[in-house]
Amino acid sequence: GAVVSQHPSRVICKSGTSVKIECRSLDFQATTMFWYRQFPKQSLMLMATSNEGSKATYEQGVEKDKFLINHASLTLSTLTVTSAHPEDSSFYICSARGAWGTTSTDTQYFGPGTRLTVL
Amino acid sequence: QKEVEQDPGPLSVPEGAIVSLNCTYSNSAFQYFMWYRQYSRKGPELLMYTYSSGNKEDGRFTAQVDKSSKYISLFIRDSQPSDSATYLCATPKGYFGNEKLTFGTGTRLTIIP
Repeated sequence: GAVVSQHPSRVICKSGTSVKIECRSLDFQATTMFWYRQFPKQSLMLMATSNEGSKATYEQGVEKDKFLINHASLTLSTLTVTSAHPEDSSFYICSARGAWGTTSTDTQYFGPGTRLTVL
Repeated sequence: QKEVEQDPGPLSVPEGAIVSLNCTYSNSAFQYFMWYRQYSRKGPELLMYTYSSGNKEDGRFTAQVDKSSKYISLFIRDSQPSDSATYLCATPKGYFGNEKLTFGTGTRLTIIP
């Protein structure tokens, strides 16, 4: 149980285009999802916290107009990278936290990641 | 100063050896510590978590926290080639492991058959 999927797993796009990444909790309801970015040989850096039905909370230094996050349902959050540039090329990973009483409070469940390459 | 620091390695050891992976943290308020394993091009998976000081054992893995020195460790006994991965320590901004996490940089481990 507690599986999180991401789609697509890999995407290549041209500079200036927008890319949407989906994060789904497959067998539980996720009231909160987190979006992380990981550059090569570096650790995961939290970008934003997404709560179902409300606006995302962005970490300092993350442009909210560039990284649009929507969490419209309890099983789906999307990250849209708008007007992507080569420096946005990275590995984007989401994680999900279940509704209280439904999943463990000891952990959050990570998706497999999406590798974005902007040419 | 980073909140969580970790030696990035890489670390290579022969199969069967005991592996020691370490992190230090700066904020004495941190209470909850986690170790994740990340295979190449995959998302992290939770290995172990510990609360406050002490040891916790799970099979070949032992997690240790020393709050007095702000030092956390993960030991792997009888290491296997399948243990080759990047290991990340993490701590949440709160009391539960399901809150937003601060990660160390990760240590890349290779077990040589």
